[in-house]
Order: sequence, then structure tokens, then C-alpha cells
Amino acid sequence: AQKITQTQPGMFVQEKEAVTLDCTYDTSDPSYGLFWYKQPSSGEMIFLIYQGSYDQQNATEGRYSLNFQKARKSANLVISASQLGDSAMYFCAMSLLIIQGAQKLVFGQGTRLTINP
Amino acid sequence: DTEVTQTPKHLVMGMTNKKSLKCEQHMGHRAMYWYKQKAKKPPELMFVYSYEKLSINESVPSRFSPECPNSSLLNLHLHALQPEDSALYLCASSQDLLGGRPTTDTQYFGPGTRLTVL
Repeated sequence: AQKITQTQPGMFVQEKEAVTLDCTYDTSDPSYGLFWYKQPSSGEMIFLIYQGSYDQQNATEGRYSLNFQKARKSANLVISASQLGDSAMYFCAMSLLIIQGAQKLVFGQGTRLTINP
Repeated sequence: DTEVTQTPKHLVMGMTNKKSLKCEQHMGHRAMYWYKQKAKKPPELMFVYSYEKLSINESVPSRFSPECPNSSLLNLHLHALQPEDSALYLCASSQDLLGGRPTTDTQYFGPGTRLTVL
């Protein structure tokens, strides 16, 4: 069965430090996508970064990078130079094709990140 | 522009009421989704519409009735809900599942509707 595991329920980091949020996944499908979303207390799920299973390079988007280790089935999110506005819940998710024309996102339990001034 | 809008932002309803949640996107996306999210939990998929046809129903009770009037709009009709249905309801859309590799399709979410059932 497909599964996403986030083992850090909460993390506390000093402002301007880098932070790594852990994500491991389990699937037997050769084709899958891995996503990270940020959810502030307002509730909106904000897309941060995507990594495809066939991508050779690690994805980067501004201060966000994804450390993709396929053999270990891990897709950790790295946030460089953290800011107070980075405080939020972070979800790792995997996309799965259900039927042609429809996919499903499987989410981890999330990590609550708190940035301290 | 990756904006998905949802109305209302907050909704309080009684168990005998009928209400509707609305979702709209103008990104030309052809897939739209409803998720339910309870407090401190990840979102759970409810329905998927692809090219205005219902593709996935994750065994959702019939008191939730989705509708996709056109490619930009998605509604969720609510009737005879229970207090345990109180949650954040999130709408999402994605571009084109049929044209390329579906697992690369990024879902963009709206701000959600916080529903309270009394």
C-alpha cells in the first residue's frame, strides 16, 4: 500500500537557520510524484515544491530544496535561512494514478514547524 | 496565476439545513477535487472531477453531493449533516491529467471553507 511517513510531529528552529523536514514514502509504482505543501493557520494549502520519480536532479524553488534519495525512499524538504513566516504545518504528499484522468494525493501526518526569533 | 477561490470562508449550519460550498478556478484546469480536513490531520480526498465528469468518489456519504456545472466551477451540496462533519473543506484543481504523466500534475488548493454543524 502507498504510504507517506513524517516522523517529526513538531520542530522548533531559530530564525535564519536551515531546517530539514523528513519524509519517507512507500510505493511499488515506478511512476509517482512527491510534493510538499505548507499550511499556515489560515488553512490554505500552499504548494512549495515537486519532485518526479524519474527526475535525476533534486528540485529547488527559491529557499526550498528537496533532498530526493530514491533508493532510501526519502524526500526531505530543506528550507534555507528560515523566516518567522515559515512557521506553519508542512505536509509531504505523493500522487498516485487511480484511473486514467484521475489522480490521488496521499498525505503524511504533517510536521508543525515553529520559527523562533 | 494559481488562484482557486472558495465561498463562503465560514459556514455554520444546523443538521436539517441545506447549504452549498462553491469553488472556482480560472486557470484552465480540467481536474477539480474536494478534500475534507479535520483538525490536526492531513486532508482526505472526497471527490475528483476530470473533464467535468465524476472520476473518484471515496465512499463519501450521500449527504455530500458534488456537482461540476462547468470546467471552472465545483460545488459541494450539503444536506442533513452531522456534527462530526464539521471540518475544513478544501477545493483543489490541477491542469491536465490526460495529456501527460498524471503523477506530475500539481494540485493547487483554495483557502477552504470552515464548516461547523450544530
